[in-house]
Amino acid sequence: GENVEQHPSTLSVQEGDSAVIKCTYSDSASNYFPWYKQELGKGPQLIIDIRSNVGEKKDQRIAVTLNKTAKHFSLHITETQPEDSAVYFCAASSFTGGFKTIFGAGTRLFVKA
Amino acid sequence: DTAVSQTPKYLVTQMGNDKSIKCEQNLGHDTMYWYKQDSKKFLKIMFSYNNKELIINETVPNRFSPKSPDKAHLNLHINSLELGDSAVYFCASSQDLTGSIAFFGQGTRLTVV
Repeated sequence: GENVEQHPSTLSVQEGDSAVIKCTYSDSASNYFPWYKQELGKGPQLIIDIRSNVGEKKDQRIAVTLNKTAKHFSLHITETQPEDSAVYFCAASSFTGGFKTIFGAGTRLFVKA
Repeated sequence: DTAVSQTPKYLVTQMGNDKSIKCEQNLGHDTMYWYKQDSKKFLKIMFSYNNKELIINETVPNRFSPKSPDKAHLNLHINSLELGDSAVYFCASSQDLTGSIAFFGQGTRLTVV
């Protein structure tokens, strides 16, 4: 079945450093790739997304890249701050009789002050 | 105003009981979802509804029965609760079947004892 692998499962960085989270997907029909941030005790929140016709997208300190050929996509956070600490999920979506979103297992990011 | 609200936030119950979780969205979205997040933070889709019609029904025991009285509500009823049902359940919504899941509820932490 469809699968999304996410690495690393835990990432610890110093404040001000960059953080990179990588995902791979298996379903070649996937055409939409959102990223979510989940803070403790809250639901996931959409922070950025990218569609398959775009290779890169940036929003302030956050950027996503997509390599459709390799079925890889990544989240880049620059100038990390302690409030960036959370669990981040990648996801891959395709429309196959219903829009199905498969989530990665999550990356717990710690930003040390 | 909360976009997607679910109640209760916490639910502790004994094995064998029947319980319901309610979800409402005030965004005018057509599509709603139920996701289960296990202790390892893994998010897995259970159901999706579009305009009150069931679209996705993943491999979920038939003890779980979603009900959508109107497109703004998607409730989850669980019969004969088991220990393994303990998890956090998230409701979510999207504009329509092809839209991104931008909004999740705050989650319902279900503990079966």
